[in-house]
Amino acid sequence: QVQLVESGGGLVKPGGSLRLSCVASGFTFRDYYMIWIRQVPGKGLEWVSYMSHTGGTIYYAASVQGRFTISRDNARNSLYLQMDSLRDDDTAVYYCARIIVARIGEPSKYQFDLWGRGTLVTVSS
Amino acid sequence: QSVLTQPPSVSGAPGQRVTISCTGSSSNIGAGYDVHWFQQLPGTAPKLLVYGNNYRPSGVPDRFSGSKSGTSASLAITGLQAEDEADYYCQSYDSGAWVFGGGTKLTVL
Repeated sequence: QVQLVESGGGLVKPGGSLRLSCVASGFTFRDYYMIWIRQVPGKGLEWVSYMSHTGGTIYYAASVQGRFTISRDNARNSLYLQMDSLRDDDTAVYYCARIIVARIGEPSKYQFDLWGRGTLVTVSS
Repeated sequence: QSVLTQPPSVSGAPGQRVTISCTGSSSNIGAGYDVHWFQQLPGTAPKLLVYGNNYRPSGVPDRFSGSKSGTSASLAITGLQAEDEADYYCQSYDSGAWVFGGGTKLTVL
């Protein structure tokens, strides 16, 4: 079954840390670029961080640059997001998604074609 | 405030046609960047509905279609069904970042 399953969410105090995991199954994980996207409950979507299939290219949204670190272990079919110095406005459901690269070097053509069910991160004192 | 602007809500009766607009600017849709659409059913993750402005992934009914012109894009849904009631998001690219619309809640009357 082709799927992504996130885990690691929970309640954490401001300034704390959390590590999210995303395990892939049913497809060749090492061939795909991946992305983390978050959604404040009841609100819209915001991309967080992106990684190429080899890990050689990484991007972060300005809102998390310097605080979050994306990584992957292709041998374990897993994507990770280390979140440090968490703030109240990081509270959201975090989704990992698979990327179909329609044309390398043209990120507007990247398609987020498979999403996990998400994991809720709540930052509150 | 989202970079791409969508109406907060639209509605239609079963069998009708509805459209959802997505308005951008010269730095995103108007720059020639692709627009993609997602459907999010209540309590579930977003699902890719339309990619590359007007292409449907395998399994998406042809009742759903996308279009793009200038700095705007639209999602059209024909033959509205109760199961189409969901939130819909447009997505594009702008200044080195993927950007989303604020979402539109579709209510089937």
